[in-house]
Amino acid sequence: DAGVTQSPTHLIKTRGQHVTLRCSPISGHKSVSWYQQVLGQGPQFIFQYYEKEERGRGNFPDRFSARQFPNYSSELNVNALLLGDSALYLCASSFDGGSNQPQHFGDGTRLSIL
Amino acid sequence: GQQLNQSPQSMFIQEGEDVSMNCTSSSIFNTWLWYKQDPGEGPVLLIALYKAGELTSNGRLTAQFGITRKDSFLNISASIPSDVGIYFCAGQLQAGNMLTFGGGTRLMVKP
Repeated sequence: DAGVTQSPTHLIKTRGQHVTLRCSPISGHKSVSWYQQVLGQGPQFIFQYYEKEERGRGNFPDRFSARQFPNYSSELNVNALLLGDSALYLCASSFDGGSNQPQHFGDGTRLSIL
Repeated sequence: GQQLNQSPQSMFIQEGEDVSMNCTSSSIFNTWLWYKQDPGEGPVLLIALYKAGELTSNGRLTAQFGITRKDSFLNISASIPSDVGIYFCAGQLQAGNMLTFGGGTRLMVKP
């Protein structure tokens, strides 16, 4: 079975632009979470979605938004990009939001802002 | 917000040696997880711990959920070159909810 898949793998943008990152969860998983990992640090939680509803939001500005589709895939959108948004964006999926089913990560999208 | 303190930040050891790393928190977590991340890849789950005091093994890896719910450790026995990577602890307050990560321990193994 395929793991969590993310696209694109790499992306270069300039300040002020917007970006859309995509994630397909493991088959059967209904919950998707997004994390930002700045170089040299651990991942930081951005959003969690379960059954198309936002379940949690981390300490990120409103420029960051996300949604989950009926097939449980998800998009992360970032508007008005800043240099500090350069990071690895990780998507993780889990079976549901309420059981002891750990989150499994994709390989991320490396976003570089020039 | 909650923060996890992971130590050591880096380790350089000889192949065959045992390794120990730990993670502490100022807050209680109800689940502790350990992940390994290789360059250019996402974190891969190694061990998940769900009960205070739980000791769980996965091959040469052993992890424990601290009795206070505020710490966890990971041991790797008889290290091999492919153990090289960054190890992250993560705490979860409620099952299925957000993960809070430590800063990582970078492990380097000398053949």
